[in-house]
Amino acid sequence: SAVISQKPSRDICQRGTSLTIQCQVDSQVTMMFWYRQQPGQSLTLIATANQGSEATYESGFVIDKFPISRPNLTFSTLTVSNMSPEDSSIYLCSVEMGGDEKLFFGSGTQLSVL
Amino acid sequence: EDKVVQSPLSLVVHEGDTVTLNCSYEVTNFRSLLWYKQEKKAPTFLFMLTSSGIEKKSGRLSSILDKKELFSILNITATQTGDSAIYLCAVSLTQGGSEKLVFGKGTKLTVNP
Repeated sequence: SAVISQKPSRDICQRGTSLTIQCQVDSQVTMMFWYRQQPGQSLTLIATANQGSEATYESGFVIDKFPISRPNLTFSTLTVSNMSPEDSSIYLCSVEMGGDEKLFFGSGTQLSVL
Repeated sequence: EDKVVQSPLSLVVHEGDTVTLNCSYEVTNFRSLLWYKQEKKAPTFLFMLTSSGIEKKSGRLSSILDKKELFSILNITATQTGDSAIYLCAVSLTQGGSEKLVFGKGTKLTVNP
């Protein structure tokens, strides 16, 4: 398994501002995934971040709203831009280890937008 | 559209009870089914199932997959208050040449002393 550190753990933000979430893994991984979990909803994949290339976004998510950086094989950031109350969610980074489909998740960021 | 449906959405039991959580799916290009336990924010991995009829077991937890009927169950025997959590079912599938996980909404289990 992997140790995945995510910060901040939680934040309360004002409408219209942006927040950058950091994810650090204790080993090198090819792909990192960013998920969102809105209250009472399932985890939804926002985008896949590969080192050295543009992130791949899922339907309904765009780079202007959720820019992602992946500067090396152990680190990624997700920015939630121009926030609105609808962005209040848990945001999770995850990685795949062991060559199968098992995902390991970071500690999560609880975001509340007022 | 690929979907994963879990039932019940919530469940309240007493310590010592046995519970069965259900997960049904309709997806194309199925690879595997996974169960996670989410206590606060971070889901932790429980099981990955790829073959029908083979039970996976870890302590008081067990799970089995039926690929013909497209469902899986997660059993917890002799429940404890520490089992209180949201249990997530996810299906791994191939889409556009890459792998993707589709999650259900989860079952919120509350175990009362």
